[in-house]
Amino acid sequence: DTGVSQNPRHKITKRGQNVTFRCDPISEHNRLYWYRQTLGQGPEFLTYFQNEAQLEKSRLLSDRFSAERPKGSFSTLEIQRTEQGDSAMYLCASRSLGLAGVTDTQYFGPGTRLTVL
Amino acid sequence: AQTVTQSQPEMSVQEAETVTLSCTYDTSESDYYLFWYKQPPSRQMILVIRQEAYKQQNATENRFSVNFQKAAKSFSLKISDSQLGDAAMYFCAYGGSARQLTFGSGTQLTVLP
Repeated sequence: DTGVSQNPRHKITKRGQNVTFRCDPISEHNRLYWYRQTLGQGPEFLTYFQNEAQLEKSRLLSDRFSAERPKGSFSTLEIQRTEQGDSAMYLCASRSLGLAGVTDTQYFGPGTRLTVL
Repeated sequence: AQTVTQSQPEMSVQEAETVTLSCTYDTSESDYYLFWYKQPPSRQMILVIRQEAYKQQNATENRFSVNFQKAAKSFSLKISDSQLGDAAMYFCAYGGSARQLTFGSGTQLTVLP
């Protein structure tokens, strides 16, 4: 178990550019979540996948945001035409679906810190 | 929608002393989990302790324990024998049928030597 990994750890970009982040979950975890965390606040849910299916998206996820999880393994989060308000830490978490189907523990990656100039 | 409230933006504790961090939540669900996560500066979120709502017994993990009051919708974290390494932002989180976690705004804990 190597934990959840995210790349890159830091990204600085200019307003209007596109950026893509990658998340590798703990192997065999079938649920993968994306959260956004701004300075001094708790993480806010963006979207989640069960295997390769994207099952829910928050209203925070505007049309400029898209997430994929091909083959149900790693996931990518792309932001098009970045804005200064997109500057935040983007966190990925994964968990296995418990046999009882109830919520289980989510394990977080180190995050990707995005700065939009 | 569920909400999680942490009313203490900052707390401090003397090394080796005990501190309690407060959390309240609002939900209409009967089956859910509650979590405390720790986030040191520039480091990743780490699970401290979790509590299943159907369990009456309060969870404990070494120096960390919770006081879970389901009727009052209260979930406080007690840290005993505080250590310098406990200094971090602590987040209370709710996990229910909606699958994703709902977090509070956090409590910044400072441990004084």
